[in-house]
Amino acid sequence: GAGVSQSPSNKVTEKGKDVELRCDPISGHTALYWYRQSLGQGLEFLIYFQGNSAPDKSGLPSDRFSAERTGGSVSTLTIQRTQQEDSAVYLCASSSADPRETQYFGPGTRLLVL
Amino acid sequence: LAKTTQPISMDSYEGQEVNITCSHNNIATNDYITWYQQFPSQGPRFIIQGYKTKVTNEVASLFIPADRKSSTLSLPRVSLSDTAVYYCLVSNFNKFYFGSGTKLNVKP
Repeated sequence: GAGVSQSPSNKVTEKGKDVELRCDPISGHTALYWYRQSLGQGLEFLIYFQGNSAPDKSGLPSDRFSAERTGGSVSTLTIQRTQQEDSAVYLCASSSADPRETQYFGPGTRLLVL
Repeated sequence: LAKTTQPISMDSYEGQEVNITCSHNNIATNDYITWYQQFPSQGPRFIIQGYKTKVTNEVASLFIPADRKSSTLSLPRVSLSDTAVYYCLVSNFNKFYFGSGTKLNVKP
């Protein structure tokens, strides 16, 4: 079956611009996660959605970062007024209802802020 | 906070058993431990998960001592294709802490 998909796969933007990153989870998965992975670094948790509940935003690094999930499926991560330090790979994952279950990751979106 | 610590890198040879340890001194009662494998330009992929004692599947074993302050991923008889970065994840219902990853280099 189809896995987690993310778009775009690559994004180059200028400092100060806004960007939107999209994640399509596996059908039927109610949990969705966003992570950030800087070059050569580990995964940094950003935000977690569970069904229609309010998301846990505790990992978002600043108020320039926001995320939404429409209809309990597709999610969009928005970065406003991008900075060079936002350059990273943004990974999305989904899982079944129990967040301790296996997370299935998408291929990521590579963001480069010039 | 369940901060996780892993060795930065490890070298091995084909056919050897490799053990990678992750420290998570502040692990909470409800936390689970999961290990993922990541190849360049790909998202991480699930390897194994456990809560305590030993878990084994077709590709790896996971050893967790009684105090659960560490966990060891064991890969039997590694091959060149096992060259990757390995991450431990400590998670509960709404917190997810990945280690910084261990880059395993398997040599012929």
